[in-house]
Amino acid sequence: GDSVTQMEGPVTLSEEAFLTINCTYTATGYPSLFWYVQYPGEGLQLLLKATKADDKGSNKGFEATYRKETTSFHLEKGSVQVSDSAVYFCALSLYTGRRALTFGSGTRLQVQP
Amino acid sequence: EAQVTQNPRYLITVTGKKLTVTCSQNMNHEYMSWYRQDPGLGLRQIYYSMNVEVTDKGDVPEGYKVSRKEKRNFPLILESPSPNQTSLYFCASSLGLAGVVDEQYFGPGTRLTVT
Repeated sequence: GDSVTQMEGPVTLSEEAFLTINCTYTATGYPSLFWYVQYPGEGLQLLLKATKADDKGSNKGFEATYRKETTSFHLEKGSVQVSDSAVYFCALSLYTGRRALTFGSGTRLQVQP
Repeated sequence: EAQVTQNPRYLITVTGKKLTVTCSQNMNHEYMSWYRQDPGLGLRQIYYSMNVEVTDKGDVPEGYKVSRKEKRNFPLILESPSPNQTSLYFCASSLGLAGVVDEQYFGPGTRLTVT
């Protein structure tokens, strides 16, 4: 079945460091790919998305490129801030009636001042 | 403000005592869904609804019921809760456009503990 694998956390960085969170997927068909962010005590918010191969999603300084050849969608940010501390989820969705998002297990990011 | 609301946010209950978690959205979305979040497992879909009176099972439907009598509401019902249903629950909604994987909006979550 469809699955998403993320690097395990927590990831601890100093402010202004470069961030990469790895995400790879397995899917039958051509999924859309997403990164969601969950701040403490809150629900999930869509951070960025890409709907086809080679698309780059970007938002708030975060970027991820849909790489079909490596089945990957790694999240990057050039300079993290303390306010970026959260749990990040990679997810995929195939257009089917169920429209279910298949999530990775999440990666906790802690940014220290 | 466009949002998905859930109530209650926190609930502690005992095994076998029926409970309902409400979910409401004000965006006129066709599609609604329930997920549960467990450590190390990410989020898994419980039930979903494509429109009023149309519901179907997700990946982990056992022990849950849903109904969709109105477009805006999608309650999750646990008729006889058990400790393995202790989890964090999220409701989500989206436009449900045909042929499009559209963005899902999530509620703030309901933390349920069953003792």
